[in-house]
Amino acid sequence: DSGVTQTPKHLITATGQRVTLRCSPRSGDLSVYWYQQSLDQGLQFLIQYYNGEERAKGNILERFSAQQFPDLHSELNLSSLELGDSALYFCASSALRGPTDTQYFGPGTRLTVL
Amino acid sequence: GESVGLHLPTLSVQEGDNSIINCAYSNSASDYFIWYKQESGKGPQFIIDIRSNMDKRQGQRVTVLLNKTVKHLSLQIAATQPGDSAVYFCAERAVGGYNKLIFGAGTRLAVHP
Repeated sequence: DSGVTQTPKHLITATGQRVTLRCSPRSGDLSVYWYQQSLDQGLQFLIQYYNGEERAKGNILERFSAQQFPDLHSELNLSSLELGDSALYFCASSALRGPTDTQYFGPGTRLTVL
Repeated sequence: GESVGLHLPTLSVQEGDNSIINCAYSNSASDYFIWYKQESGKGPQFIIDIRSNMDKRQGQRVTVLLNKTVKHLSLQIAATQPGDSAVYFCAERAVGGYNKLIFGAGTRLAVHP
């Protein structure tokens, strides 16, 4: 158990809908990262937050957005869903202190868009 | 659980043998590398890391080797066990990327009794 929690574990929804994925980082970690894992794309970085502020963006679609709240939990919002958005979505957290900053991953949310 | 990367390269080994998983990374300026293990239905699990100022680091039953000349990383697992069966990913930290990780495609390790 990494200490990172994600809910829900599974989501099944229809095209055009909007969903929210939730992540709670490990105790003491200020930085949260979101990744998408699909069969043909592997693990792709989406976005990073540090202490409530956006730090870095990867290949995140405009239909997707995220935020980190004062209690440090984070939410990833996916809207106007398409079939191709079906994937595993992982959250990771790190303390972001020092030159080697390990990211610890949550169990993921499996999104299925029908 | 669901399958990740159905078309990943697979390394098949006998239980008790040593395993070597290889990875080529993309950016010669990357300064930090991590190996993760992902079991079916679970998130990536940290195994071992190495900074670019080192060429070898050992953990419990695992060793990571870094060859910066050819941008190559390897993970050696000693006395491979059935519980080691999983997909293994290398990741490099992007330079100037605030700890953003770039993952390799992964290798599936299958351990046979």
